[in-house]
Order: sequence, then structure tokens, then C-alpha cells
Amino acid sequence: QSVLTQPPSVSGAPGQRVTISCSGSSSNIEKNYVSWYQHVPGSAPKVLVYDNNKRPSEIPDRISGSASGTAATLVIAGLQTGDEADYYCGAWDSGLSGFVLGTGTKVTVL
Amino acid sequence: QVQLRESGPGLVQPPETVSLTCTISGDSVTNGGYFWSWIRQPPGKGLEWLGYVYHTGGVTYSPSLRGRAAMSVAASKNQFSLSVGSVTAADTAVYFCARSAAGPYYYFHMDVWSEGTMVTVSS
Repeated sequence: QSVLTQPPSVSGAPGQRVTISCSGSSSNIEKNYVSWYQHVPGSAPKVLVYDNNKRPSEIPDRISGSASGTAATLVIAGLQTGDEADYYCGAWDSGLSGFVLGTGTKVTVL
Repeated sequence: QVQLRESGPGLVQPPETVSLTCTISGDSVTNGGYFWSWIRQPPGKGLEWLGYVYHTGGVTYSPSLRGRAAMSVAASKNQFSLSVGSVTAADTAVYFCARSAAGPYYYFHMDVWSEGTMVTVSS
């Protein structure tokens, strides 16, 4: 019963651009910074974006994040087969006094 | 390079308590710059944040586990731990540990994760 809603799946051909949405509320996304995580089952999740739009140094700039109001977006440009994974948004929820993660989106490269 | 490795019993019978430990390398659990979190993923479901512990012993738990969970720090072993009591099949999951920068909550995110360990609750 996550408070952050994502589409269950998105897909694209190699080289294409995919967008993953994350819908929240005034107690999480609108008030606190959003982070995004990539999870390949069986391995450690990895942070892709934090503070809405900052990337760790090892993350390529074809991956970007943004947030406005109660929604956030992750964009993966130049899609690669290695991008096949599950993606989660996350943010602190001031009402729940805890960190909440999105429902997750499976990215498939066609 | 910071690495986290969790360890746990694998199989637990209901309604016992499951205890998990996360061992840190490349950093110190007493580093006041970080919170140390637990996250889980039930089979076929998404990630769920369970809470964090600070080096002082201060904790914040997810509402879903309040009353059943306990987190602590073992400085001499450079470890932190999670215990969940009165487990049921719903607690079956892969459990991850992670690090988050300490500071205002609006910045909260996990920057280092472990690979996860499976815990199955079954009689």
C-alpha cells in the first residue's frame, strides 16, 4: 500500500527514451526531495538520482530526474539493454514520519 | 569503497523473532554523518523501507513495523542489527541494509545498499 504510485511497466527499443512517473502528495514529493533507484533482482539496488535531479558521479547524464508539485519523473535516454531493471522512486513522508518507496516500474528493452 | 553485507537465519518459524545483522566495511557505524537503514522486498512485490538506526542508538521505524521491530548498533563489531518479533508469512522477504546521509529529512535517500538476504517464515 505504497503512497507513491508508479506505472507497473514501461518499454522501449534500444536508443529510445523512456519516462517513468511517480505520483505522490503534499506530504512527500511536494515537501521533500525525490530519489530514484535501479534494482536488478538478485543484486544491490543502486541510487540513480537524489535531491530530485542530482546524479552520483558514476551515473551517466542520459539518466535524469525532475519533480514538480506532487509528481516526479525519471527519464532514461538512449535506452540500453543493460537498463532492463526495476525502478523505484522514494521520498521522505512528513505525515508518516518515514521514508516511502514507490510501487516500482519494470523497464523492458524491446 | 563502502560495502554492506547482511546476515540472517534464512528460515524462521512463526511466531518467533528474526534477527538480522549488517556488517560495514569501508566506513564506521559510529560515523555521525550517516543513518543505517533496513529495507525489505516480499516475493513479487516492491521495496519497503523499515526504518533506520543512528550511531547514538536513536531509531525511526516505519509505521508498518512499529511495535514489532528493534534496531541497534554494535560499534565494536562495526555492525547494525534488525529484529522483528511475532513474525508471520507476511514477513517473508529479501532484507537489505543501506546507508543514508544524516541531516534534514527532506534530503533522505540511500546511497549504498547491500545485496540482500532471503528470510522465509514457515513452520
